Amino acid sequence: GQQLNQSPQSMFIQEGEDVSMNCTSSSIFNTWLWYKQEPGEGPVLLIALYKAGELTSNGRLTAQFGITRKDSFLNISASIPSDVGIYFCAGQPSLYNFNKFYFGSGTKLNVKP
Amino acid sequence: EAQVTQNPRYLITVTGKKLTVTCSQNMNHEYMSWYRQDPGLGLRQIYYSMNVEVTDKGDVPEGYKVSRKEKRNFPLILESPSPNQTSLYFCASSFSYNQPQHFGDGTRLSIL
Repeated sequence: GQQLNQSPQSMFIQEGEDVSMNCTSSSIFNTWLWYKQEPGEGPVLLIALYKAGELTSNGRLTAQFGITRKDSFLNISASIPSDVGIYFCAGQPSLYNFNKFYFGSGTKLNVKP
Repeated sequence: EAQVTQNPRYLITVTGKKLTVTCSQNMNHEYMSWYRQDPGLGLRQIYYSMNVEVTDKGDVPEGYKVSRKEKRNFPLILESPSPNQTSLYFCASSFSYNQPQHFGDGTRLSIL
């Protein structure tokens, strides 16, 4: 099936630092989504992107839908301890399997106060 | 409160003993799906349903069954569980197939 390559796998940063993570696919996607998962809970939607080049913010989070439609990135500015969790990219291909969702393997974020 | 409810949250069982994980949503969503989450692999879609009586295979359907007799419910059935189905399972739903999904809190299954 479709594979999304998400990097980095984990990050250890100091509170106040900015964070950047990205996701690439081997085929064109119609939708890119970013989720956050905390221990014992299901993923929670952070940002949804629907158009190539789209740049969307949600508070300190900013995500972009890559121009090639094969990648997306998520930035977190001025990180705080409650940003700790696993961040997943997800998306839907534009051609075959367009009604399925595919997820990256996650970026585990650790923030030191 | 809008939510996706899964039961049970935790289950330890033995190989071959049929089990069902229930999923219910109260948001009148048409699209529902099941995922399994394994370390290093992210979430992989098992089955999905576009609407009542319409279900289809995701990427890892082997060993699982689903049914969608009512809009709100989408149970996951393991007819003969095996140890390689030990995992964390999530049910999710959305208004339609191209909308972001809302996830339940997960069911941790251990098959001995």
